[in-house]
Amino acid sequence: EAGVAQSPRYKIIEKRQSVAFWCNPISGHATLYWYQQILGQGPKLLIQFQNNGVVDDSQLPKDRFSAERLKGVDSTLKIQPAKLEDSAVYLCASSSRDNIQYFGAGTRLSVL
Amino acid sequence: DQQVKQNSPSLSVQEGRISILNCDYTNSMFDYFLWYKKYPAEGPTFLISISSIKDKNEDGRFTVFLNKSAKHLSLHIVPSQPGDSAVYFCAASVNFGNEKLTFGTGTRLTIIP
Repeated sequence: EAGVAQSPRYKIIEKRQSVAFWCNPISGHATLYWYQQILGQGPKLLIQFQNNGVVDDSQLPKDRFSAERLKGVDSTLKIQPAKLEDSAVYLCASSSRDNIQYFGAGTRLSVL
Repeated sequence: DQQVKQNSPSLSVQEGRISILNCDYTNSMFDYFLWYKKYPAEGPTFLISISSIKDKNEDGRFTVFLNKSAKHLSLHIVPSQPGDSAVYFCAASVNFGNEKLTFGTGTRLTIIP
């Protein structure tokens, strides 16, 4: 069974630029999550989708971050414009009925 | 407000001995707890979980203990192996099935051969 796929693995941008991350969850997993992990901290949930609907986006900075999950499968997370403090690893995870979250390898973002 | 705390950023243990990783939480509504393991350049992988109706759960070399009155859980690894060297994250959720996880800051475990 293929795992959660994320791309790109690394991205370097300058502040005020925009960036997008892509995630393809495990086949059949209805729930998809985006997390932000800042160096030295644990992952922090940004947004949770159930199929193509948003379940929880209470910690998503909506003035600059957006996410979508069209057709209830893969998802994109966008930052526009990026700030220095957005430098982090962005992790995507998916889960099915067992509620165990399976993570991708993440995208490491550096904002200069 | 750090609701899940792992106060030891790092831990070194001799191969073959017991590794004990600790986690404290403040939110009394948490009733489901998980441990994730993370290798460099990889995403976290699920290790073991426990619900608040239990005080112990065991899976091979890994055992998780939950002390609800102290709001404390621990992960025991016996015997420790070099492949166990990784960062371990404790996570918690309110209402099993809610799925929203709150993570601790992680403990880096190093197994010394």
